[in-house]
Amino acid sequence: GAGVSQSPSNKVTEKGKDVELRCDPISGHTALYWYRQSLGQGLEFLIYFQGNSAPDKSGLPSDRFSAERTGGSVSTLTIQRTQQEDSAVYLCASSPQGGISGNTIYFGEGSWLTVV
Amino acid sequence: AQSVTQLDSQVPVFEEAPVELRCNYSSSVSVYLFWYVQYPNQGLQLLLKYLSGSTLVKGINGFEAEFNKSQTSFHLRKPSVHISDTAEYFCAVKETSGSRLTFGEGTQLTVNP
Repeated sequence: GAGVSQSPSNKVTEKGKDVELRCDPISGHTALYWYRQSLGQGLEFLIYFQGNSAPDKSGLPSDRFSAERTGGSVSTLTIQRTQQEDSAVYLCASSPQGGISGNTIYFGEGSWLTVV
Repeated sequence: AQSVTQLDSQVPVFEEAPVELRCNYSSSVSVYLFWYVQYPNQGLQLLLKYLSGSTLVKGINGFEAEFNKSQTSFHLRKPSVHISDTAEYFCAVKETSGSRLTFGEGTQLTVNP
């Protein structure tokens, strides 16, 4: 069965370049999350989409980070003018319903970003 | 706001020994609790979750966890570990009325022969 799919799996980019990371959630899942996992650290919440509601962007670390979700399905995380501290694994996750529920949140395998 | 503290960053054990990975959380409202496992170069996989009811929760791969409301803890246990259990384990909390999953910093379990 199809899980959460992320691309690219690995990306090396030069400092100052823009990058786009893609997430294809599990079909039918209305909630979509982006997290960042830096080396030796836990998972940092970035952004959350639920259906047609306004996204919760409170975790985005700077205005260089943005994300969109088109048609309630695929999401793209964009990092502009990348910095070396942006190097991390970016994890996407989806859930049948993100709100007041204990539904399991399913994670993709992540996009490894290295900024050189 | 909720927070999670995993008390041990690294836990080395020998194969077939019991293990406990400790997790404490902080929240002013009721929560759901989760344990995820991350094998090398892979995404996170749910081990188990506590939503309500029995405080002892059983998960996959022989793991179990006990929710202790008075101590705000959700420790993960396995009576006998295998080499294949070597991985990073993350405790996470979500407010029952919220959507955000907050993670601890992880515990690296290393099982040695």
